[in-house]
Amino acid sequence: QVQLVQSGGEVKKPGASVKISCKTFGYTFTTYGINWVRQAPGQGLEWMAWVTFQNAYTNYPPKFHGRLTLTADTSSGIAYMELRGLESADTAVYYCARAVGVGLDYWGQGTLVTVSS
Amino acid sequence: EIVLTQSPGTLSLSPGESATISCRASQRMNRSYMMWYRQRPGQAPRLLIYGASNRATGTPDRFSGSGSGTDFTLTINRLEPEDFAVYFCQHYGDSTGTFGQGTKVDLK
Repeated sequence: QVQLVQSGGEVKKPGASVKISCKTFGYTFTTYGINWVRQAPGQGLEWMAWVTFQNAYTNYPPKFHGRLTLTADTSSGIAYMELRGLESADTAVYYCARAVGVGLDYWGQGTLVTVSS
Repeated sequence: EIVLTQSPGTLSLSPGESATISCRASQRMNRSYMMWYRQRPGQAPRLLIYGASNRATGTPDRFSGSGSGTDFTLTINRLEPEDFAVYFCQHYGDSTGTFGQGTKVDLK
């Protein structure tokens, strides 16, 4: 059974960093990529990143350049997303989702990151 | 970068009615890249439609998608209680995944 299980919620101060894990179950980790998506309170979905593991390819919008690092422990089936230089606007629920050829078919439960002084 | 604009922002309907949600792309796009998701309160999104018109595994046949070029539509026939939620279109392809801003279907 495919599952993506994310790490727990975090409270961070402005300027800090957060690293979220996404542990996968039920499939061969390197076969599919992972997308990261976030959702600010009461807002829509914002696509953040696309990562594939067979060739260590990553892609993300310019707004995250210099602030976002995507890594993985392929032997354990875990993807990580680190966001630096946190601002209040980064307060959101962060999701990982499995990227297959036909969309994001399985999602993690979400991780709430609160940025507050 | 493709920008997706959904309309309307909110649809107020009753169970058993039909919903039609539009998603317009800022430029022509490959229809195989158009996805639709449903998000219920407090839950992660769920993939409903891929490639503009193909139902994902487990998607009831009351959901249908259509469109090409810049204009795409999600239709929900005979709304069930679980369909009162927010719907998002997504351009998913070329290693990017831009979402529309969402359409809320709520109870009239």
